[in-house]
Amino acid sequence: NAGVTQTPKFQVLKTGQSMTLQCAQDMNHEYMSWYRQDPGMGLRLIHYSVGAGITDQGEVPNGYNVSRSTTEDFPLRLLSAAPSQTSVYFCASSYSNSGEQYFGPGTRLTVT
Amino acid sequence: KNQVEQSPQSLIILEGKNCTLQCNYTVSPFSNLRWYKQDTGRGPVSLTIMTFSENTKSNGRYTATLDADTKQSSLHITASQLSDSASYICVVSGGGNNRLAFGKGNQVVVIP
Repeated sequence: NAGVTQTPKFQVLKTGQSMTLQCAQDMNHEYMSWYRQDPGMGLRLIHYSVGAGITDQGEVPNGYNVSRSTTEDFPLRLLSAAPSQTSVYFCASSYSNSGEQYFGPGTRLTVT
Repeated sequence: KNQVEQSPQSLIILEGKNCTLQCNYTVSPFSNLRWYKQDTGRGPVSLTIMTFSENTKSNGRYTATLDADTKQSSLHITASQLSDSASYICVVSGGGNNRLAFGKGNQVVVIP
């Protein structure tokens, strides 16, 4: 099993550009989540999904969109990048919402 | 107000020594508490997950304790190794919707 994979590993965007961060898991997990991690702060939930076709907002959803067309994939879209979105983004999956979470390796995004 | 507080924020220990990290939380009702290890530049990896009825759980040289009455947990690292240098994150599940509350992490540096 590859576990949770994320691409790209690094990305630099200019303000106003859009892009999609990819996340995939091969563990047949229903629950998937996107987090951002900033210096001096804990991981913050952006969006999450409890199964294919079902998504919901987390703590900091503004400026981000998600969709879940398959169990395996959960892409995160930045609609119009802003410097405040400079961060490290982690995707995670779990069998249930109270179960152990498996994190991807992260995407380091810089917006200039 | 952060529902999960970790201390100390950072510490430096000599290789071979023991250390204890603290986590206090206010999340209620409580579902479970997890400790994750995050190496620099990588995603968090689960060390332990404990439910209300569990007082202690070990994973190799890592031992976590939980006092659900006082809402406190600790992570003890025995005979530290250089590879233990990492951030250790306390995560509490609960609050009625099993949303995860993340601490900011304990940064541990092990020196030879």
